[in-house]
Amino acid sequence: KAGVTQTPRYLIKTRGQQVTLSCSPISGHRSVSWYQQTPGQGLQFLFEYFSETQRNKGNFPGRFSGRQFSNSRSEMNVSTLELGDSALYLCASSLGGGFDEQYFGPGTRLTVT
Amino acid sequence: AQTVTQSQPEMSVQEAETVTLSCTYDTSESDYYLFWYKQPPSRQMILVIRQEAYKQQNATENRFSVNFQKAAKSFSLKISDSQLGDAAMYFCAYRSTPYTGTASKLTFGTGTRLQVTL
Repeated sequence: KAGVTQTPRYLIKTRGQQVTLSCSPISGHRSVSWYQQTPGQGLQFLFEYFSETQRNKGNFPGRFSGRQFSNSRSEMNVSTLELGDSALYLCASSLGGGFDEQYFGPGTRLTVT
Repeated sequence: AQTVTQSQPEMSVQEAETVTLSCTYDTSESDYYLFWYKQPPSRQMILVIRQEAYKQQNATENRFSVNFQKAAKSFSLKISDSQLGDAAMYFCAYRSTPYTGTASKLTFGTGTRLQVTL
């Protein structure tokens, strides 16, 4: 079974631009969660999508948004990029029942200049 | 809100020796899950071991075992017979049960960087 895939793996954007990151979960998984990892703030939960609906949300500004498609693939969008948005963005997939493990993708490294 | 604390930013162990990484957490919930994740230089987060709070027995996975002390809210990871491939960042994480509605959210500690020397 293929693992969680994230595209692109690396991205460089300019302040003020917007960016879209993609995450394809493990086949059969219906939940996708997104995390931001920075040296200063560590790993922080952004949001979770389950069956195309946002089920949980962390404490991030509205510039961070996401969506999930019927095939469970998820996208995360950041608008009006700031230098502080430079981070490793990780997504994790799970079956979605809450009792199972989350499996992480390799991450997308976003650099904002 | 739950918090997870890892007080050891860095640890070092010699190959074949045993090392213990510490983790404490704070929660008002009585049932929950605790995890140790490993993040090697490749950056991919890998699940090492999982503990369910209602189980008194400590979880073990091959060379990895935990010491779960629920009353003390402590959850340490012991790595036996350390190998060079164990070198990585190790994160302790907390997750609520599905009954709370926030089961998808992992709360992570700040991590412990483990070095393995020859």
